[in-house]
Amino acid sequence: AQSVTQPDIHITVSEGASLELRCNYSYGATPYLFWYVQSPGQGLQLLLKYFSGDTLVQGIKGFEAEFKRSQSSFNLRKPSVHWSDAAEYFCAVGRDYKLSFGAGTTVTVRA
Amino acid sequence: AAGVIQSPRHLIKEKRETATLKCYPIPRHDTVYWYQQGPGQDPQFLISFYEKMQSDKGSIPDRFSAQQFSDYHSELNMSSLELGDSALYFCASSLQQGATGELFFGEGSRLTVL
Repeated sequence: AQSVTQPDIHITVSEGASLELRCNYSYGATPYLFWYVQSPGQGLQLLLKYFSGDTLVQGIKGFEAEFKRSQSSFNLRKPSVHWSDAAEYFCAVGRDYKLSFGAGTTVTVRA
Repeated sequence: AAGVIQSPRHLIKEKRETATLKCYPIPRHDTVYWYQQGPGQDPQFLISFYEKMQSDKGSIPDRFSAQQFSDYHSELNMSSLELGDSALYFCASSLQQGATGELFFGEGSRLTVL
């Protein structure tokens, strides 16, 4: 069975500070890993994805994520947060594209 | 670029009524997925269709049914609605069952059951 754990329900970060969102997964084979962002009342937008190769992947809006097989983790990072990054972030795992999502991490950005 | 279109965006129904949600995938996408996201919950996979045939099934209640039509749009039919069906329903599409590795999500249809 596949599953995703996002340990942090809510994170508050100051504008301009760095951000790291944690994601741990359970999967029986090499996973496809994704990070999606959801702004209030909006749909899910793909930030980045990992299939294979370089374990550090770059995404949109200045986000990056690092796949660590030994830790079953796929943490999302951004060096300098902007107020527009306030949203809910979902990590997802899937092979056949029946994605399993984590519970999400809500990010609040303070001025 | 064209995105996944869902309609209606908002729907209010009474208990035991029926609702139908529609999804128009990105042109040339042949696979459609339906997800349900309850209040404060993560999206849960319901069902998917590839080339108009059901390709996978998740936690979809028996009261729900779905199909994909010849033009690749999909409809999710929900009958005997219950309060717990109130949720944001996402449709996503992809090409070749996600061979490109990405699902494109619509903005969702918010169903409220009173």
